[in-house]
Amino acid sequence: ILNVEQSPQSLHVQEGDSTNFTCSFPSSNFYALHWYRWETAKSPEALFVMTLNGDEKKKGRISATLNTKEGYSYLYIKGSQPEDSATYLCAFDQAGTALIFGKGTTLSVSS
Amino acid sequence: GAVVSQHPSWVICKSGTSVKIECRSLDFQATTMFWYRQFPKQSLMLMATSNEGSKATYEQGVEKDKFLINHASLTLSTLTVTSAHPEDSSFYICSARGGSQQYFGPGTRLTVT
Repeated sequence: ILNVEQSPQSLHVQEGDSTNFTCSFPSSNFYALHWYRWETAKSPEALFVMTLNGDEKKKGRISATLNTKEGYSYLYIKGSQPEDSATYLCAFDQAGTALIFGKGTTLSVSS
Repeated sequence: GAVVSQHPSWVICKSGTSVKIECRSLDFQATTMFWYRQFPKQSLMLMATSNEGSKATYEQGVEKDKFLINHASLTLSTLTVTSAHPEDSSFYICSARGGSQQYFGPGTRLTVT
């Protein structure tokens, strides 16, 4: 059974703090690693699709890194804002078909 | 980005009735759509892969006669929960692949009483 683990499960930070989460996934048969941002009552929003070992992607204050050899990805948020409050999901894409999700990290940012 | 809609967003039904959930890709064609289910504090779990014009592929442990999937066009897949029971109460969400991305609908909260 393929397992995708995310840590921490939840996180509460103050506005302006920088933070990061971890996603670990199987290191074999890797195709891609997806990060999503999911706000309540909305569709999960795609943040990054990462395919290459050593890849680093950035979108505004959010960035992500990928290590396929050891099976982990980090998501960083610089200078957290209240609007960053959401659940962040990572998903392992083994063969370009369905995704295997972690349970998510729920971020709460206080102003 | 591409948009996927899902309807209804929530539904309450009585035990023994059937419920249909629609998933539409609004601005792109999707030959393949996916149906996931999420129980509280759990991951999104793949239920089935819906293929346009052919039978769906179900994951192990998912009853195909209970969760009927129809993908009749390139923009619409439906999931029907037949003879629903309280244990079917869950959050159901669909996705469609567009290029390297998967785009998700907003999900349907099903409560069976």
